[in-house]
Amino acid sequence: DAGVTQSPTHLIKTRGQQVTLRCSPKSGHDTVSWYQQALGQGPQFIFQYYEEEERQRGNFPDRFSGHQFPNYSSELNVNALLLGDSALYLCASSLLAGGPHEQFFGPGTRLTVL
Amino acid sequence: DAKTTQPTSMDCAEGRAANLPCNHSTISGNEYVYWYRQIHSQGPQYIIHGLKNNETNEMASLIITEDRKSSTLILPHATLRDTAVYYCIVRPTGFQKLVFGTGTRLLVSP
Repeated sequence: DAGVTQSPTHLIKTRGQQVTLRCSPKSGHDTVSWYQQALGQGPQFIFQYYEEEERQRGNFPDRFSGHQFPNYSSELNVNALLLGDSALYLCASSLLAGGPHEQFFGPGTRLTVL
Repeated sequence: DAKTTQPTSMDCAEGRAANLPCNHSTISGNEYVYWYRQIHSQGPQYIIHGLKNNETNEMASLIITEDRKSSTLILPHATLRDTAVYYCIVRPTGFQKLVFGTGTRLLVSP
């Protein structure tokens, strides 16, 4: 059973460009959350998708957007990249219904903005 | 979101128990205590969670005080592979967002 997978592993972009990151959740999971982790910091919640809709959002600008597909996979899009967007982007999947289900994290995508 | 306070760093000898404390004095009655860890350059890994009773699984034990204002994660026999940043998080049931602090950097030495 594959866990959470993310692609690409690493990415280098320049300021002003746009980027799309991809995530496939763990088998059986229906909810995908995205986090940004700057160097030396804990992960920061960006948003969460369930039933193809954004359910919760953290304190991130509209340049950050996402999508969830019918197969529960998800994309994170960042427009007009800034140097400060350089970070490890983590995807986590879980089950929404029922108790306090734990989130399973993928290995992340390392984005460098030059 | 309830805030947590953890020591910045801790050391532990290989084979000994590692006891990682966490203060969450503003925790609400419907909030669970979660522990995750992050080994360098990897995604966070779920360890354990609890509401008010002590919990144990194959990785660790979680001891929550009776007033629920603090907890301790116990790794009974630490190994070098347990070197990581450990995050204590409180989260209401039904809410999925995890609010990470800066965690405790645990260094296990031979």
